[in-house]
Amino acid sequence: QQQVKQSPQSLIVQKGGISIINCAYENTAFDYFPWYQQFPGKGPALLIAIRPDVSEKKEGRFTISFNKSAKQFSLHIMDSQPGDSATYFCAASRAGTASKLTFGTGTRLQVTL
Amino acid sequence: GAVVSQHPSRVICKSGTSVKIECRSLDFQATTMFWYRQFPKQSLMLMATSNEGSKATYEQGVEKDKFLINHASLTLSTLTVTSAHPEDSSFYICSARDAGPGGGYTFGSGTRLTVV
Repeated sequence: QQQVKQSPQSLIVQKGGISIINCAYENTAFDYFPWYQQFPGKGPALLIAIRPDVSEKKEGRFTISFNKSAKQFSLHIMDSQPGDSATYFCAASRAGTASKLTFGTGTRLQVTL
Repeated sequence: GAVVSQHPSRVICKSGTSVKIECRSLDFQATTMFWYRQFPKQSLMLMATSNEGSKATYEQGVEKDKFLINHASLTLSTLTVTSAHPEDSSFYICSARDAGPGGGYTFGSGTRLTVV
């Protein structure tokens, strides 16, 4: 199975709050798990990525938590800002430059004042 | 970091004509590039995998004769939408994976195609 399931579909968070988006995968051969941010009319931009040999990775306000046994990973956005309002996609792939990226369905995040 | 340039960003064409979209990896060589289509408020749908020097691999349900892919060099892949119809109007995005230590996928900025 190549599916990556993402939730929630949409999320509203107050400024300064924590935004949490969850993903689950089925294929145990996946070894690369990125999160992308996409603004309307633009291509996805890599936010942060993790490999299964670590359980957490933090870059600035963005943290990925990874649970290999549960086949789940999540994105935490700390101190959410209105500029974070965008669509977020989780994804997964196998090793190799020819391996395709399987995307989640996306989460539309709105950060309110 | 790795940069993928996609051109044009927007194009309007008449029904029945063909449109070519270019995708270039600017600072790395990409033996494989990926072409996606995205409908409004939906996820990216992989259309095909473009392989340098060989035929592209199309996903199930994608018409290979309508969406022609050419990957003539290690830095350039093109997608040609042939005999375009209004239902081909969409956002097309290319991507390539850097073979370097990071191994991440870099996306182009996308092409908004409108067929009138």
